[in-house]
Formats: sequence, structure tokens, C-alpha cells
Amino acid sequence: AQKVTQAQTEISVVEKEDVTLDCVYETRDTTYYLFWYKQPPSGELVFLIRRNSFDEQNEISGRYSWNFQKSTSSFNFTITASQVVDSAVYFCALYIFRGGSEKLVFGKGTKLTVNP
Amino acid sequence: DTEVTQTPKHLVMGMTNKKSLKCEQHMGHRAMYWYKQKAKKPPELMFVYSYEKLSINESVPSRFSPECPNSSLLNLHLHALQPEDSALYLCASSQDLIETGTAEQYFGPGTRLTVT
Repeated sequence: AQKVTQAQTEISVVEKEDVTLDCVYETRDTTYYLFWYKQPPSGELVFLIRRNSFDEQNEISGRYSWNFQKSTSSFNFTITASQVVDSAVYFCALYIFRGGSEKLVFGKGTKLTVNP
Repeated sequence: DTEVTQTPKHLVMGMTNKKSLKCEQHMGHRAMYWYKQKAKKPPELMFVYSYEKLSINESVPSRFSPECPNSSLLNLHLHALQPEDSALYLCASSQDLIETGTAEQYFGPGTRLTVT
């Protein structure tokens, strides 16, 4: 079975603090993709990053960084020097493509509130 | 350009009404998706169209009827809905995984549907 667990339901930080959002996934597939999406109050899901199962390189994009570790089945997301505009619900998702069938499995999301 | 557009933004309809949600993308993506999202929950997949053919129906009630008139357009026809169908309906699109090696889905802003 495929499953994504985001154990943190809500996180509240003060602006300029660093914050890490946890994501743990389960799958028996050897080929899969992991994503992070941001959903601000407006509702649109914004794609942030994709990681392939065969690429364990960590990535940094501005204030955002991602740590992918297959050994612990984790794909954590860190925001450095958080800003009020980072307030949103963040979803981690697992993509499986098998035999013509595909599915994007979402975690339950972590609501991040950055206070001024 | 990674834009997916959806109309209308908001829709209020009675249980006897017939209405349609529209989604459009001009990125040349081969797959298009409908998701339903209830408040404080992750998106739930409803339908997948691949190369204009329905490839996945996640056991959605027949009062929801998808249509893909061409590779850029996706409709969701609504008829005899129930109040519990009130939700945010999200459309997404993605490239061909096998051709491009990418699987990220790009989402539209959604239609907030209220059934009275």
C-alpha cells in the first residue's frame, strides 16, 4: 500500500524562525516520485518540488531546502528565515505509476502559520 | 507558462440544478485530472483523462460526469448534487511521464461549490 504521513498537523512560528515540515512515505515500488505542494488560503495548490526515487540529492532553492532520505523513507522540507507569506497548508505527495494506472497520494497536510 | 484556469471561481446551486465546471490548460499536457477537496482535508482524486480518454474513475457517483472535448479542455457536469458535495473542485494537468520523466501535476485555482 502507498501512504504518506505528515505527523505535524499545525505548526506556528514567529517570522525569521527556521521550520522543518516532516514527511514519511510508504511504498513497495522501486520507482516513484515525491512532491511538495503549497496551498495558500486562496486555495490553489502550488507545485514546489519533485524528487525521483533514484535521485537522493538534496536541493536548495532560495529559503527552501529539501532532504530526501530513502533509508528512512523521509522527504522533509525546511524553510529558512520564515516569512508571513509562507503561511499555508503544505502537502507532501507520493506518485505511483504502474501498469497504466497512476495515482498521486497526498499526506493530510501541515498547516504552517508564520506570525509577524 | 504553467497555468491551469478554472471557471467559475464560485458556484452555488440547488439540488435540482444542472451546472458545469470548466478547466483549460495550454501547456500541451497529456493528462488532466479532477479532484475534490473538503475543508481541512487533502485533495481526493475523482477522474483522470489520458490523451482525451477516461483512464481512471475513482468510483465517483454518476451525478458527476466528466468530459474531455479536446486535449486542452476538461469539463465536469453536475446534476442532482447533494449538500455533502459542497467542496473545492480542483483541476490539474501533467505531462506524459514516459516521454518526459516528469510527473508533477499543475493545479488550477479551483471552483468553490456550494450545494443548497
